[in-house]
Amino acid sequence: DADVTQTPRNRITKTGKRIMLECSQTKGHDRMYWYRQDPGLGLRLIYYSFDVKDINKGEISDGYSVSRQAQAKFSLSLESAIPNQTALYFCATSDPSGYPTDTQYFGPGTRLTVL
Amino acid sequence: GNSVTQMEGPVTLSEEAFLTINCTYTATGYPSLFWYVQYPGEGLQLLLKATKADDKGSNKGFEATYRKETTSFHLEKGSVQVSDSAVYFCALSTRDTGNQFYFGTGTSLTVIP
Repeated sequence: DADVTQTPRNRITKTGKRIMLECSQTKGHDRMYWYRQDPGLGLRLIYYSFDVKDINKGEISDGYSVSRQAQAKFSLSLESAIPNQTALYFCATSDPSGYPTDTQYFGPGTRLTVL
Repeated sequence: GNSVTQMEGPVTLSEEAFLTINCTYTATGYPSLFWYVQYPGEGLQLLLKATKADDKGSNKGFEATYRKETTSFHLEKGSVQVSDSAVYFCALSTRDTGNQFYFGTGTSLTVIP
C-alpha cells in the first residue's frame, strides 16, 4: 500500500463549486504539505502543517484553505473554484527528525480541471 | 530569499548518451539539496540528496555534487536508458525556513532507443 494517498485522483468541476482534495499518510510524519504543479512553473507550495495545531500559508495560498484533521490527514479546499486553479495537486509529508537530510515523500497527485 | 534555477527542457538524448542537467540555487541559510524524479503519471520520488558542501549524492547511476563555491548541484549520468525518461526537479530546503522545500521548474528528459 502507498504511504501517501490522495483522493480523488481526477476531478472535473465547474466554476464556483466547492472542492475538497484529501490526503492521508501512513508514514507517521508530523509535517504535511500541499503543492500545485503547473507546466513550466514547477511545484509551488500552497499550505503546510508541522502538526495538527500548526497551519501555515505557502507561496500561493489565496483561494485555498486547509484542514488538518489528524496527524495522518490533511485536506485542501477550494471554496469557489476558478479555471486558473486547474492544475495537478500534490500532497507530501516529511519527518523533521531526519534533518539535515529532511526528505519529502509525495502522493500520486490529483488532477483537477475547473471548467 | 530561496530559489532554484534549472536548465529548461525538453532534453532529448539517444540511449547511452551522457546526461547533464544544470541546477543552481540561492539560499538564505545552509541548504540541503535534492533531485527528485517524476515518471509519467506518478508523483515525485527522491532520486538523490546532499547535505553539505562537496557531498556527492548518487543513486541509479545518477550523481550530483554539492558545490558551495558555485552554488550548483548539477545532475549527471554517464549512460542514459529509455527508462530514465521523466521530469527531473532540483530542490533545496533550509532549516531557517522550517525545512520548506523550494523546487525548480523541472526538466523533461526523453531518451530514444
